[in-house]
Amino acid sequence: GAGVSQSPRYKVAKRGQDVALRCDPISGHVSLFWYQQALGQGPEFLTYFQNEAQLDKSGLPSDRFFAERPEGSVSTLKIQRTQQEDSAVYLCASSLSYQGSGELFFGEGSRLTVL
Amino acid sequence: DAKTTQPNSMESNEEEPVHLPCNHSTISGTDYIHWYRQLPSQGPEYVIHGLTSNVNNRMASLAIAEDRKSSTLILHRATLRDAAVYYCILIADWIIFGKGTRLHILP
Repeated sequence: GAGVSQSPRYKVAKRGQDVALRCDPISGHVSLFWYQQALGQGPEFLTYFQNEAQLDKSGLPSDRFFAERPEGSVSTLKIQRTQQEDSAVYLCASSLSYQGSGELFFGEGSRLTVL
Repeated sequence: DAKTTQPNSMESNEEEPVHLPCNHSTISGTDYIHWYRQLPSQGPEYVIHGLTSNVNNRMASLAIAEDRKSSTLILHRATLRDAAVYYCILIADWIIFGKGTRLHILP
């Protein structure tokens, strides 16, 4: 497809399990962002990649959260030892521009529910 | 903290124009002003962006104040499908979304 693709769309995990969320950005897009969106709230920034380099990870809430983009295209957000407060929609966005003047294209998100 | 301020919610009648305001008094000279909207159970969708001049596209218009400390997103003829949360963000602050404006369209 031509858009940003995220998988899985829905994930239910038991507390303590590890999860991995995948993002396929639009081909050729330099910038990639991960956001966390709790119910009724705006998206909260997690981390930012420019190609394979993770330039900002200040939004990651704890060291249980880890993101990578090893070849500068597909990215994976990993959450270790999930907790109930991790339940949220995780959004991925990509942009052609790394200067920030281009539009962001968002995926539909991965909804994580931790029981 | 978000660098933009928007009303929590607004209502408009169907087929009438809608003006959604955004204040960004701390904007810097190189910040672009972006608008996104989010429908239920979907990711945010790009609407429009601009730097200094007013901008038009097929979805909306963006009116930017001369001092750039505020902007207004204009939907020329609202439809029920325009009911969404609208976010105004600054490009240098594009990692930070505010809570947005929830737009209700009345049939």
